[in-house]
Amino acid sequence: KAGVTQTPRYLIKTRGQQVTLSCSPISGHRSVSWYQQTPGQGLQFLFEYFSETQRNKGNFPGRFSGRQFSNSRSEMNVSTLELGDSALYLCASSSRGGTGELFFGEGSRLTVL
Amino acid sequence: GENVGLHLPTLSVQEGDNSIINCAYSNSASDYFIWYKQESGKGPQFIIDIRSNMDKRQGQRVTVLLNKTVKHLSLQIAATQPGDSAVYFCAENTPSGYSTLTFGKGTMLLVSP
Repeated sequence: KAGVTQTPRYLIKTRGQQVTLSCSPISGHRSVSWYQQTPGQGLQFLFEYFSETQRNKGNFPGRFSGRQFSNSRSEMNVSTLELGDSALYLCASSSRGGTGELFFGEGSRLTVL
Repeated sequence: GENVGLHLPTLSVQEGDNSIINCAYSNSASDYFIWYKQESGKGPQFIIDIRSNMDKRQGQRVTVLLNKTVKHLSLQIAATQPGDSAVYFCAENTPSGYSTLTFGKGTMLLVSP
């Protein structure tokens, strides 16, 4: 069974640009969550999707958005990039609708110059 | 790596020793806890979980202890190996029905041969 796949693995953007990151969950998993990991703040929850609906959102500005498609694949978008958005963005999928083990991808490393 | 600059607590042990990694969690309503291992350049990997109706759970070479009175989790690794070197995170989930985890800051485990 393939794991969680995130693309691209690495990308470099400049301030003011926007970026879209993609995540394919484990087959059969309907819940997809996104986390931001930085050296200063650690792992922070961005949002969670289940059956194409955003069910929960972390404390991030509106520049961070996401969506989930009918095949459970998810994308997140960050607009008007700032230097502080440089981070590892991790996607995780879960088979259950509620509390359960999250399976993480390898992440997309975003550098904003 | 992702955690450089975070000034993570570090535990240095010799190969073959037993390791104990501690974590204080924040929400007394949390009912599910997970330990993750993150190697450099990779996403977090599930190690073991425990629900709040238990105070101990054992896996292969790992044991998790939960003390709800003082909101404390520990991860014990028996016969630590160099391959165990990584950053270890505890994570908690509140009974919101959502797959949302709140992560601790992490502990770096360094195992010397």
